[in-house]
Amino acid sequence: EPEVTQTPSHQVTQMGQEVILRCVPISNHLYFYWYRQILGQKVEFLVSFYNNEISEKSEIFDDQFSVERPDGSNFTLKIRSTKLEDSAMYFCASSTFPLETQYFGPGTRLLVL
Amino acid sequence: QKEVEQNSGPLSVPEGAIASLNCTYSDRGSQSFFWYRQYSGKSPELIMFIYSNGDKEDGRFTAQLNKASQYVSLLIRDSQPSDSATYLCSHGSSNTGKLIFGQGTTLQVKP
Repeated sequence: EPEVTQTPSHQVTQMGQEVILRCVPISNHLYFYWYRQILGQKVEFLVSFYNNEISEKSEIFDDQFSVERPDGSNFTLKIRSTKLEDSAMYFCASSTFPLETQYFGPGTRLLVL
Repeated sequence: QKEVEQNSGPLSVPEGAIASLNCTYSDRGSQSFFWYRQYSGKSPELIMFIYSNGDKEDGRFTAQLNKASQYVSLLIRDSQPSDSATYLCSHGSSNTGKLIFGQGTTLQVKP
């Protein structure tokens, strides 16, 4: 069964460093998303992406964040200068259409020291 | 702020009982509703989706939607210890697919 994959599963970084989180969405899906979940809190929307453009972003998704689909399979989230409060689980998701079911990847646990 | 509200629980039921999980939402424009299950440290896993008012059944799970009352529920029949998890209610209300999640209800099924 097709699934969303994410790498790395865990990432530890120093405050101020750049990190890139990678995702491979399900192959026939056209809509891609990033969410994050701080430990003990709810899942929060970061950004949606369609046709090589951001279609919506949340207030969390400020200038330190960017997304890219560098090739036909990968979808990346870059955090330019990490802060302590960026420590969270980051989930990638994809769907065929915007209001259809979103399938989540296993997540990347990011720890900023 | 468009919110999704859930009782955080924990909701504790004995094995074999019916578990009832409830959710309210504030955005009247919401069109699609999803229940995800999340085990500790894992990603959300889809359980049910519902778009229309009424009930939708899939195996041991029944989702109920009442748009007039802005209320969604999930019933789990014959609860099993493996159903012990956090259940996330969410809705999508925009053409971009953005999902808004509640904080989740922790369900404990005791053998």
